[in-house]
Amino acid sequence: AQTVTQSQPEMSVQEAETVTLSCTYDTSESDYYLFWYKQPPSRQMILVIRQEAYKQQNATENRFSVNFQKAAKSFSLKISDSQLGDAAMYFCAYEGTYKYIFGTGTRLKVLA
Amino acid sequence: DAGVIQSPRHEVTEMGQEVTLRCKPISGHDYLFWYRQTMMRGLELLIYFNNNVPIDDSGMPEDRFSAKMPNASFSTLKIQPSEPRDSAVYFCASSLTVPQETQYFGPGTRLLVL
Repeated sequence: AQTVTQSQPEMSVQEAETVTLSCTYDTSESDYYLFWYKQPPSRQMILVIRQEAYKQQNATENRFSVNFQKAAKSFSLKISDSQLGDAAMYFCAYEGTYKYIFGTGTRLKVLA
Repeated sequence: DAGVIQSPRHEVTEMGQEVTLRCKPISGHDYLFWYRQTMMRGLELLIYFNNNVPIDDSGMPEDRFSAKMPNASFSTLKIQPSEPRDSAVYFCASSLTVPQETQYFGPGTRLLVL
């Protein structure tokens, strides 16, 4: 069965610094998608970045980028130049064939 | 588009009462998902629909939970009878045609069962 593991319940970063959130997953599928979602205190889920497993190139979205290691089944999120507005829960998510699995989340605190 | 719409935003009820949560997906989206989020278990997929048909309800915790999608623009998640352990935030999400497409989440319904 597929699993998604976020081993860091909480992380802190100084404003303007860089932080990396880790995510590992387990699957026997070859085609799948991986996502990072952000959930601020408002509870709304916001898509941060998306990676197709068949693409070797790491996805980037402005200050957000991923390090996708397919063989290692690792999908970490790097946030550069952290801002106070980045403070939130971050969920790693896996989508395979009729399977949608979320990690338990990492709470990111941004220190001024 | 207004995005995924959920109602009510907050619900407080007493144990044993019936609770109905509502969701309106983004127009044109073929997939609709119901999630539950708790501190203990994080975000869990309860059920999802494709073209109004339930595809996978293996995440539904027990028979007290039921979900329907009578048409492409409306879905309900019902809990009867409700229990305190059902207290959580319930999210609805929708996506376009293919299942791996990005899901757009609604704002969630915060349910408190006393």
